[in-house]
Amino acid sequence: GESVGLHLPTLSVQEGDNSIINCAYSNSASDYFIWYKQESGKGPQFIIDIRSNMDKRQGQRVTVLLNKTVKHLSLQIAATQPGDSAVYFCAESFQGAQKLVFGQGTRLTINP
Amino acid sequence: DAMVIQNPRYQVTQFGKPVTLSCSQTLNHNVMYWYQQKSSQAPKLLFHYYDKDFNNEADTPDNFQSRRPNTSFCFLDIRSPGLGDAAMYLCATSSRGGGETQYFGPGTRLLVL
Repeated sequence: GESVGLHLPTLSVQEGDNSIINCAYSNSASDYFIWYKQESGKGPQFIIDIRSNMDKRQGQRVTVLLNKTVKHLSLQIAATQPGDSAVYFCAESFQGAQKLVFGQGTRLTINP
Repeated sequence: DAMVIQNPRYQVTQFGKPVTLSCSQTLNHNVMYWYQQKSSQAPKLLFHYYDKDFNNEADTPDNFQSRRPNTSFCFLDIRSPGLGDAAMYLCATSSRGGGETQYFGPGTRLLVL
C-alpha cells in the first residue's frame, strides 16, 4: 500500500551544525505534508507544514523542502541545539482523507 | 492553555481489567483521533470521529472501542487489556481532517501487569 518512509532511522550531528532529515513518500495524490517533533515521553509537536503548491517553506530555524518530482520531503534545522534532540516524523495527507500517514521516524541526537 | 488534554498521563491496569482513557480539547475541532504508539515506532491510528461519525481502522482489534459524547470529549475503552496493549496512547484533533494539521495531546502511558 501507500506509505511514507525515511531514509535514515538515526542522525547524529554536532551542536551548531545544520541537520537535514529526509522523507520519501509514495502517494502521488498527497498534497499536504507535516513534520512533527516528539521528545521522549511526550506527544508529537507540530513543527512546520507545506502544501503541494509550494516547494519550500521556512519557519524559525527550520525549513521544509518538497520535491514532488521524486516524491521527497526534507526538514532542515539550522544551528542545531541540544533541545532539538528528539524523534522527527514526517506525515502526509490529502484532501478528503481525514487522516495522516506517518513515516517511520528519525532520531536526532546532538553531540556537544 | 493546554489545547488537547489527556488523563491520566500514566495508567496501570491488570491483564483483562477494562480501562478507559480520556481526551478533551478546547479547540472546538470537528475531528478527534486515537493513536497507539509503541517504543521507537510511528503512531498507529486506531480510529477517529468526524463529529459523531465513527471511523474505525480495518486492523484495529475489537478490544478497542471509543465514545465521543460531545465535541470536547473522546474516550478510549480497552475492554480486556493484554500485555501487548501496553503502549503510549495519543489523542489528536483537527479542524476538518484531510489536509489539515493534527494537534496532539501529551499521551497516556499504559502499563499492563
